[in-house]
Amino acid sequence: DAGITQSPRYKITETGRQVTLMCHQTWSHSYMFWYRQDLGHGLRLIYYSAAADITDKGEVPDGYVVSRSKTENFPLTLESATRSQTSVYFCASTPGASGYNEQFFGPGTRLTVL
Amino acid sequence: AQSVTQPDIHITVSEGASLELRCNYSYGATPYLFWYVQSPGQGLQLLLKYFSGDTLVQGIKGFEAEFKRSQSSFNLRKPSVHWSDAAEYFCAVGADYKLSFGAGTTVTVRA
Repeated sequence: DAGITQSPRYKITETGRQVTLMCHQTWSHSYMFWYRQDLGHGLRLIYYSAAADITDKGEVPDGYVVSRSKTENFPLTLESATRSQTSVYFCASTPGASGYNEQFFGPGTRLTVL
Repeated sequence: AQSVTQPDIHITVSEGASLELRCNYSYGATPYLFWYVQSPGQGLQLLLKYFSGDTLVQGIKGFEAEFKRSQSSFNLRKPSVHWSDAAEYFCAVGADYKLSFGAGTTVTVRA
């Protein structure tokens, strides 16, 4: 199906484990983003990517790693999960560099770290 | 750096009544401004956006927003709320390709 998908939709893990959240888009958009959503904070940017093999830190990158070997995929890895990383994670994409371009969001992944 | 403030955390409105959600932004240049809506358990959907031109912007689902440069505001309005408008609403300001979001306003619609 066309669009932007995230997997898994729900994940429970334990402190110290490695977790990877997947994001896939079918539009061939250049830019992709990872946000986390926490009560009282809205959405905060974790990492973004301007193209395959080009990534950069956002507002809250600590504890996260990203890669982008293919345009359509942008996985987010928590190398050693902590309870403070319990959150809802959203992936988004946009076709170009203009700040006026709409960002298209995936359905989110709810991650619980015990 | 840009930032967004949504002063109201939660608003309750009766079905059929009007709704106004406040948004104030801070940005040094002409801002790109957006309103997104998030229904329960869903991702974010764009309601409307503004960059230049007419300061009153029409969006989907009967929403509109007015840009007021002098007040650094971009308030969202709807004349008559439907029960399906119950959701969380986010204002955002764009710079280059990045968005900065406000903390959101949760709207509850009562019958």
